[in-house]
Amino acid sequence: EVQVVESGGGLIQPGGSLRLSCAASGFTVSTNHMSWVRQAPGKGLEWVSVIYSAGSTFYADSVKGRFTISRDNSKNTLYLQMNSLRAEDTAVYFCARGGESHSFDYWGQGTLVTVSS
Amino acid sequence: EIVMTQSPATLSVSPGERATLSCRASQRVGSNLAWYQQKPGQAPRLLIYGASTRATGIPARFSGSGSGTEFTLTISSLQSEDFAVYYCQQYNNWWTFGQGTKVEIK
Repeated sequence: EVQVVESGGGLIQPGGSLRLSCAASGFTVSTNHMSWVRQAPGKGLEWVSVIYSAGSTFYADSVKGRFTISRDNSKNTLYLQMNSLRAEDTAVYFCARGGESHSFDYWGQGTLVTVSS
Repeated sequence: EIVMTQSPATLSVSPGERATLSCRASQRVGSNLAWYQQKPGQAPRLLIYGASTRATGIPARFSGSGSGTEFTLTISSLQSEDFAVYYCQQYNNWWTFGQGTKVEIK
């Protein structure tokens, strides 16, 4: 059974750093493209970052230069390192697997990041 | 950036009735369009990809159509479990989502 489970969210002060994890089972992270998608409270969905199977990474303009996506193949886990956090980064962060069509076919339950002093 | 616009923002429908949701892209995206369902406190669930292909396990009452810039999600006979927020997403040029349509009980 395909499953992804996020962790690492919490309350952090503006300017701080946080690392999110997404542990996958039932498939291999390194052979799929994997994305992070976030949802601010009461708002819609925003794509944040992607790592392709070949290892190339891309970011939304809103997080470019502050966030870094990576993976650990030995742990079958995806990460999102978030630096210089701002209040507007407050959101539930979802990890999602890219399907064959490049839509997102499996999602985790999300982890809440709150940036506040 | 490709902007996705969904209408209406809220759709009030009685159980058993048909629901028709619309999504418009600011640029042509071919058939690179997906629909997701999200219930409160849950992750989005993929319903449709390729504009019209149902994802694994999705009931036949969900159907998608359209190409280019205009897309439609139809729920033929609403069940109680279908009341939720629905998002369209283009994946022709990175990924962007519409703002969502809330389907509520009339």
